[in-house]
Amino acid sequence: DSGVTQTPKHLITATGQRVTLRCSPRSGDLSVYWYQQSLDQGLQFLIQYYNGEERAKGNILERFSAQQFPDLHSELNLSSLELGDSALYFCASSSGRPQETQYFGPGTRLLVL
Amino acid sequence: AQSVTQLGSHVSVSEGALVLLRCNYSSSVPPYLFWYVQYPNQGLQLLLKYTSAATLVKGINGFEAEFKKSETSFHLTKPSAHMSDAAEYFCAVSGFGNEKLTFGTGTRLTIIP
Repeated sequence: DSGVTQTPKHLITATGQRVTLRCSPRSGDLSVYWYQQSLDQGLQFLIQYYNGEERAKGNILERFSAQQFPDLHSELNLSSLELGDSALYFCASSSGRPQETQYFGPGTRLLVL
Repeated sequence: AQSVTQLGSHVSVSEGALVLLRCNYSSSVPPYLFWYVQYPNQGLQLLLKYTSAATLVKGINGFEAEFKKSETSFHLTKPSAHMSDAAEYFCAVSGFGNEKLTFGTGTRLTIIP
């Protein structure tokens, strides 16, 4: 158990819909990262938050947004969903220092029908 | 820009044989290098990491990796494979001031009884 929790574990929805994925980081970790794992794109970094502020952005679509709340949990919002958004979405947390380990949650598996 | 290349998307070894999973990196700054393992339907677990201390890094479950700057490599090895090592292995790179992980395409390790 990494100490990072993600809800829900599975999500099935339809095209055009909007979903919210939730992540609670390990106790004491200030940084949260979101990654997408799909068959065709592999593991890709989406976005990083540090202590409530956006720190880095990767290949995140404009239809996707995220935020980190004062209690440090984070939410990833996916809207106008397309079939190609079906993937495993991971949250990871760390202290925020570059060499520190990122601890991954179990992921949310999203299926868009 | 940073990237890693994993040679061999599938590797099969016999139980008790040497495991060698290859990773080459490209980085414009001194890299931090990581190996993660993903078991079926689970998140990613850190096996080991290189953060510019010792070039030979020992990790969990008997795995180790050697950082070779001259070869820009960080190959993962284990002297004797066990059935429980069957999983997907990902090499990743980050750098100072850029904490996001950039992952390789992964290597699926199969252990033959």
